[in-house]
Amino acid sequence: GEDVEQSLFLSVREGDSSVINCTYTDSSSTYLYWYKQEPGAGLQLLTYIFSNMDMKQDQRLTVLLNKKDKHLSLRIADTQTGDSAIYFCAERDGGSQGNLIFGKGTKLSVKP
Amino acid sequence: DTEVTQTPKHLVMGMTNKKSLKCEQHMGHRAMYWYKQKAKKPPELMFVYSYEKLSINESVPSRFSPECPNSSLLNLHLHALQPEDSALYLCASSQEPRGAYEQYFGPGTRLTVT
Repeated sequence: GEDVEQSLFLSVREGDSSVINCTYTDSSSTYLYWYKQEPGAGLQLLTYIFSNMDMKQDQRLTVLLNKKDKHLSLRIADTQTGDSAIYFCAERDGGSQGNLIFGKGTKLSVKP
Repeated sequence: DTEVTQTPKHLVMGMTNKKSLKCEQHMGHRAMYWYKQKAKKPPELMFVYSYEKLSINESVPSRFSPECPNSSLLNLHLHALQPEDSALYLCASSQEPRGAYEQYFGPGTRLTVT
Protein backbone atom coordinates (compact mmCIF):
# COMPACT_ATOMS: atom_id res chain seq x y z
CA GLY A 1 0.00 0.00 0.00
CA GLU A 2 0.92 3.64 -0.01
CA ASP A 3 3.49 4.69 2.55
CA VAL A 4 5.25 7.93 3.43
CA GLU A 5 8.40 7.88 5.55
CA GLN A 6 10.11 10.70 7.43
CA SER A 7 12.85 10.90 10.02
CA LEU A 8 11.31 11.68 13.40
CA PHE A 9 13.62 14.37 14.77
CA LEU A 10 15.85 17.20 13.55
CA SER A 11 17.73 19.70 15.67
CA VAL A 12 19.40 22.81 14.26
CA ARG A 13 20.81 26.10 15.51
CA GLU A 14 19.06 29.38 14.85
CA GLY A 15 20.25 30.88 11.57
CA ASP A 16 21.27 27.54 10.06
CA SER A 17 19.39 25.80 7.24
CA SER A 18 17.11 22.88 8.03
CA VAL A 19 16.48 20.05 5.60
CA ILE A 20 13.59 17.71 6.27
CA ASN A 21 13.41 14.60 4.11
CA CYS A 22 10.54 12.39 3.03
CA THR A 23 10.20 9.28 0.86
CA TYR A 24 7.01 7.92 -0.61
CA THR A 25 6.04 4.71 -2.35
CA ASP A 26 3.00 5.51 -4.48
CA SER A 27 4.25 5.96 -8.03
CA SER A 28 0.98 7.59 -9.05
CA SER A 29 1.33 10.37 -6.48
CA THR A 30 0.57 13.53 -8.29
CA TYR A 31 0.73 16.08 -5.53
CA LEU A 32 3.04 16.35 -2.55
CA TYR A 33 2.55 18.69 0.38
CA TRP A 34 4.34 20.01 3.43
CA TYR A 35 2.30 20.89 6.50
CA LYS A 36 3.48 22.50 9.76
CA GLN A 37 1.87 21.75 13.11
CA GLU A 38 2.70 23.75 16.22
CA PRO A 39 1.87 22.28 19.66
CA GLY A 40 -1.88 22.06 20.27
CA ALA A 41 -2.72 23.56 16.87
CA GLY A 42 -4.11 22.41 13.54
CA LEU A 43 -2.09 21.83 10.39
CA GLN A 44 -0.84 24.80 8.40
CA LEU A 45 -0.22 24.23 4.69
CA LEU A 46 3.29 25.46 3.95
CA THR A 47 3.80 24.56 0.32
CA TYR A 48 3.15 21.90 -2.27
CA ILE A 49 4.68 20.59 -5.47
CA PHE A 50 3.28 18.75 -8.45
CA SER A 51 4.99 15.63 -9.71
CA ASN A 52 5.86 17.34 -13.00
CA MET A 53 8.09 19.80 -11.12
CA ASP A 54 11.59 19.32 -9.69
CA MET A 55 11.82 22.34 -7.46
CA LYS A 56 9.68 25.04 -5.95
CA GLN A 57 10.87 28.04 -3.96
CA ASP A 58 8.74 30.25 -1.74
CA GLN A 59 10.65 32.80 0.35
CA ARG A 60 12.67 30.80 2.93
CA LEU A 61 11.23 27.47 1.78
CA THR A 62 12.64 25.32 -1.01
CA VAL A 63 11.06 22.02 -2.02
CA LEU A 64 13.04 19.52 -4.05
CA LEU A 65 11.46 16.48 -5.70
CA ASN A 66 13.39 13.51 -7.04
CA LYS A 67 10.75 11.43 -8.80
CA LYS A 68 13.12 8.63 -9.69
CA ASP A 69 14.00 8.02 -6.04
CA LYS A 70 10.55 9.12 -4.78
CA HIS A 71 12.29 11.54 -2.45
CA LEU A 72 10.96 14.90 -1.34
CA SER A 73 12.78 17.46 0.80
CA LEU A 74 11.92 20.74 2.47
CA ARG A 75 14.72 23.21 3.09
CA ILE A 76 14.13 26.09 5.49
CA ALA A 77 16.74 28.82 5.12
CA ASP A 78 17.79 30.95 8.11
CA THR A 79 15.81 28.79 10.55
CA GLN A 80 14.21 30.71 13.41
CA THR A 81 12.94 29.56 16.82
CA GLY A 82 9.42 30.14 15.52
CA ASP A 83 10.03 27.37 13.00
CA SER A 84 10.09 24.81 15.83
CA ALA A 85 7.16 22.48 15.09
CA ILE A 86 6.28 19.12 13.60
CA TYR A 87 6.49 19.00 9.80
CA PHE A 88 4.34 16.49 7.92
CA CYS A 89 4.98 15.37 4.39
CA ALA A 90 1.81 14.21 2.60
CA GLU A 91 1.08 12.73 -0.79
CA ARG A 92 -2.06 12.50 -2.81
CA ASP A 93 -3.19 10.77 -5.95
CA GLY A 94 -4.95 13.43 -7.95
CA GLY A 95 -7.40 10.91 -9.35
CA SER A 96 -8.61 9.88 -5.92
CA GLN A 97 -11.09 11.66 -3.77
CA GLY A 98 -8.75 13.71 -1.71
CA ASN A 99 -7.09 11.09 0.42
CA LEU A 100 -3.95 12.62 1.88
CA ILE A 101 -1.43 10.05 3.02
CA PHE A 102 0.71 11.57 5.77
CA GLY A 103 4.17 10.69 6.99
CA LYS A 104 4.68 10.33 10.75
CA GLY A 105 6.05 13.86 11.00
CA THR A 106 9.48 15.32 11.74
CA LYS A 107 9.87 17.28 14.95
CA LEU A 108 12.14 20.26 14.26
CA SER A 109 13.83 21.81 17.29
CA VAL A 110 15.62 25.13 16.79
CA LYS A 111 18.18 26.08 19.42
CA PRO A 112 19.07 29.73 20.00
CA ASP B 1 -9.15 34.04 3.31
CA THR B 2 -8.24 30.40 3.85
CA GLU B 3 -9.85 29.97 7.24
CA VAL B 4 -11.56 26.87 8.53
CA THR B 5 -13.12 27.33 11.96
CA GLN B 6 -13.97 24.63 14.48
CA THR B 7 -15.96 24.69 17.69
CA PRO B 8 -15.54 23.94 20.48
CA LYS B 9 -11.76 24.15 20.99
CA HIS B 10 -11.90 21.69 23.88
CA LEU B 11 -14.56 19.16 24.86
CA VAL B 12 -14.74 16.79 27.80
CA MET B 13 -17.53 14.24 27.69
CA GLY B 14 -18.59 11.11 29.50
CA MET B 15 -19.13 7.81 27.76
CA THR B 16 -22.92 8.20 27.90
CA ASN B 17 -23.04 11.77 26.60
CA LYS B 18 -24.10 13.00 23.18
CA LYS B 19 -22.18 15.94 21.77
CA SER B 20 -21.39 17.50 18.39
CA LEU B 21 -18.32 19.05 16.82
CA LYS B 22 -18.81 21.83 14.30
CA CYS B 23 -16.73 22.99 11.35
CA GLU B 24 -17.32 25.95 9.06
CA GLN B 25 -15.67 27.37 5.94
CA HIS B 26 -16.71 30.26 3.71
CA MET B 27 -14.29 29.70 0.86
CA GLY B 28 -16.84 28.03 -1.40
CA HIS B 29 -15.02 24.71 -1.04
CA ARG B 30 -17.00 21.68 -2.18
CA ALA B 31 -15.06 19.01 -0.31
CA MET B 32 -14.86 18.75 3.49
CA TYR B 33 -13.05 16.24 5.66
CA TRP B 34 -12.87 14.92 9.21
CA TYR B 35 -9.55 13.63 10.52
CA LYS B 36 -8.62 12.13 13.88
CA GLN B 37 -5.16 12.75 15.30
CA LYS B 38 -3.76 10.93 18.32
CA ALA B 39 -0.79 12.35 20.21
CA LYS B 40 2.51 12.15 18.33
CA LYS B 41 0.79 10.60 15.29
CA PRO B 42 -0.20 11.94 11.87
CA PRO B 43 -3.85 12.71 11.11
CA GLU B 44 -6.01 9.77 9.99
CA LEU B 45 -8.84 10.34 7.56
CA MET B 46 -12.32 9.52 8.89
CA PHE B 47 -14.84 10.95 6.42
CA VAL B 48 -14.95 12.88 3.15
CA TYR B 49 -17.93 14.92 1.96
CA SER B 50 -18.02 15.83 -1.69
CA TYR B 51 -20.68 18.32 -2.80
CA GLU B 52 -22.50 17.74 0.51
CA LYS B 53 -22.67 13.97 0.00
CA LEU B 54 -20.70 11.46 2.04
CA SER B 55 -18.20 9.97 -0.38
CA ILE B 56 -15.68 8.25 1.89
CA ASN B 57 -16.16 6.57 5.27
CA GLU B 58 -12.90 5.00 6.40
CA SER B 59 -14.57 2.22 8.39
CA VAL B 60 -15.30 4.56 11.27
CA PRO B 61 -17.42 3.14 14.15
CA SER B 62 -21.07 4.19 14.12
CA ARG B 63 -20.65 6.11 17.39
CA PHE B 64 -19.24 8.82 15.08
CA SER B 65 -21.92 10.24 12.78
CA PRO B 66 -21.05 12.97 10.26
CA GLU B 67 -23.51 15.44 8.83
CA CYS B 68 -23.18 18.12 6.16
CA PRO B 69 -26.19 20.46 6.48
CA ASN B 70 -24.97 22.77 3.70
CA SER B 71 -21.89 23.48 1.66
CA SER B 72 -20.29 25.58 4.41
CA LEU B 73 -20.94 23.43 7.46
CA LEU B 74 -19.78 20.04 8.62
CA ASN B 75 -20.77 18.41 11.89
CA LEU B 76 -19.55 15.33 13.69
CA HIS B 77 -22.08 13.87 16.12
CA LEU B 78 -20.65 11.84 18.98
CA HIS B 79 -22.49 9.26 21.05
CA ALA B 80 -21.36 6.56 23.47
CA LEU B 81 -17.68 7.22 22.90
CA GLN B 82 -14.86 5.28 24.50
CA PRO B 83 -11.80 6.70 26.30
CA GLU B 84 -9.63 5.61 23.36
CA ASP B 85 -11.58 8.07 21.19
CA SER B 86 -9.84 10.91 23.00
CA ALA B 87 -7.87 12.79 20.34
CA LEU B 88 -7.60 16.00 18.32
CA TYR B 89 -10.35 16.09 15.70
CA LEU B 90 -9.43 18.12 12.66
CA CYS B 91 -11.70 19.43 9.96
CA ALA B 92 -10.34 20.36 6.52
CA SER B 93 -11.72 21.63 3.24
CA SER B 94 -10.58 21.83 -0.35
CA GLN B 95 -11.98 23.55 -3.41
CA GLU B 96 -12.74 20.23 -5.12
CA PRO B 97 -12.39 16.63 -3.93
CA ARG B 98 -10.07 15.65 -6.78
CA GLY B 99 -7.19 17.29 -8.57
CA ALA B 100 -4.55 19.74 -7.41
CA TYR B 101 -6.58 21.39 -4.70
CA GLU B 102 -4.85 21.66 -1.38
CA GLN B 103 -6.60 20.93 1.89
CA TYR B 104 -6.87 23.67 4.50
CA PHE B 105 -7.20 22.58 8.10
CA GLY B 106 -8.99 24.08 11.05
CA PRO B 107 -7.39 24.40 14.50
CA GLY B 108 -9.07 21.24 15.75
CA THR B 109 -11.21 20.21 18.70
CA ARG B 110 -9.34 18.54 21.56
CA LEU B 111 -11.72 15.80 22.78
CA THR B 112 -11.33 13.99 26.08
CA VAL B 113 -13.65 11.08 26.87
CA THR B 114 -13.86 10.21 30.57
